[in-house]
Amino acid sequence: DTEVTQTPKHLVMGMTNKKSLKCEQHMGHRAMYWYKQKAKKPPELMFVYSYEKLSINESVPSRFSPECPNSSLLNLHLHALQPEDSALYLCASSFGTSGGNEQFFGPGTRLTVL
Amino acid sequence: QKEVEQNSGPLSVPEGAIASLNCTYSDRGSQSFFWYRQYSGKSPELIMFIYSNGDKEDGRFTAQLNKASQYVSLLIRDSQPSDSATYLCAVNVWAAKLVFGKGTKLTVNP
Repeated sequence: DTEVTQTPKHLVMGMTNKKSLKCEQHMGHRAMYWYKQKAKKPPELMFVYSYEKLSINESVPSRFSPECPNSSLLNLHLHALQPEDSALYLCASSFGTSGGNEQFFGPGTRLTVL
Repeated sequence: QKEVEQNSGPLSVPEGAIASLNCTYSDRGSQSFFWYRQYSGKSPELIMFIYSNGDKEDGRFTAQLNKASQYVSLLIRDSQPSDSATYLCAVNVWAAKLVFGKGTKLTVNP
């Protein structure tokens, strides 16, 4: 299995809702990432988990809460989002977190906040 | 602020031509460099990575790295309409962090 999967593909939520994005990989990778990508912009790193521990938080607002239940799964819990949070949310994984590790992206979840 | 600069394009080439995509980076300590292809509405797909000075070839793709000039490029030979996409240059700045350029939109005309 050489892919990263993400669910759901699309999500529409109101500003008072709570929802979660899910990501899964079965490549034996020990690092997993959340990125946010706005239209016509490059991906921006949000969080990095290494061996199931949060190792990088790029000063992301607390309305985004990551969770890594095990080495294959990564969640992003969403609460009280703003319309400007509408974007493509990308999960990625890599074998490790040293610089030479290639990151592989999932298909993304397109989030719309109303 | 560690920066990665790319020509935003759009770059338009005829089918069968060589497409040349360029990227410069500001952090002299960067060691790893990646090229991703992103079709409209899809996620980025890793197509090449390079760590050492010189050229690396994979099929129709060649990545070139010049650390002294802080420059990395991607050549696509025999360009096909299916190569039409946005190409993102990404540079590893420390640990797991990648910084992406804004991307170059390539159109290959039949």
